[in-house]
Amino acid sequence: QIQLVQSGPELKKPGESVKISCKASGYTFTDYAMHWVKQVPGKGLKWMGWINTYTGKPTYADDFKGRFVFSLEASASTANLQISNLKNEDTANVFCARGDNYWWYFDFWGPGTMVTVSS
Amino acid sequence: DVVLTQTPPTSSATIGQSVSISCRSSQSLLDSDGNTYLYWYLQRPSQSPQLLIYLVSKLGSGVPNRFSGSGSGTDFTLKISGVEAEDLGVYYCVQGTHDPLTFGSGTKLEIK
Repeated sequence: QIQLVQSGPELKKPGESVKISCKASGYTFTDYAMHWVKQVPGKGLKWMGWINTYTGKPTYADDFKGRFVFSLEASASTANLQISNLKNEDTANVFCARGDNYWWYFDFWGPGTMVTVSS
Repeated sequence: DVVLTQTPPTSSATIGQSVSISCRSSQSLLDSDGNTYLYWYLQRPSQSPQLLIYLVSKLGSGVPNRFSGSGSGTDFTLKISGVEAEDLGVYYCVQGTHDPLTFGSGTKLEIK
């Protein structure tokens, strides 16, 4: 069955970096995009951007340009998100979500990775 | 960015009752390709969101047919015909017509 398994919770200090992974199984990894979505605890959802899993090209929403990097380990069917120079406002649950390449819906989601930034 | 305004912010329903949630967009969501990229997701407590509806009215895989979507342009509605206990959670409309993709603020459905 289709699954997205994300790496575990992270506790970091401001200025540090974090790398979150999202391992896909049960389908051909390169047939679907991978999107990233942020949710501050108790708040709504915000789209961070996506990566074309066939070409490796990332696209970032404006608020996530500069410190955020989407990457792939295609041989391992894994998408990664690295955040550098962490700030308190990066504290959030981050989801990866499989994106349909034609209709742009997210049909499978990972369980989320909680990133806590605190001094 | 496109702003999606959902009403009501909170709704309370008894089992079997029908519920409607509105989503109003700050811009038309009709794309130049003729499609309207409007989706509905449900996030149950402590869970990841799940797809309910795509392209305004198409039911996601495995989604019960008590869920239906309608609308066009800037006004959209999600209807639940006969609420069940498992339907509690936060409902989000999402648009993918305009970059960046944006989420509505959410409608929390409580079961009485």
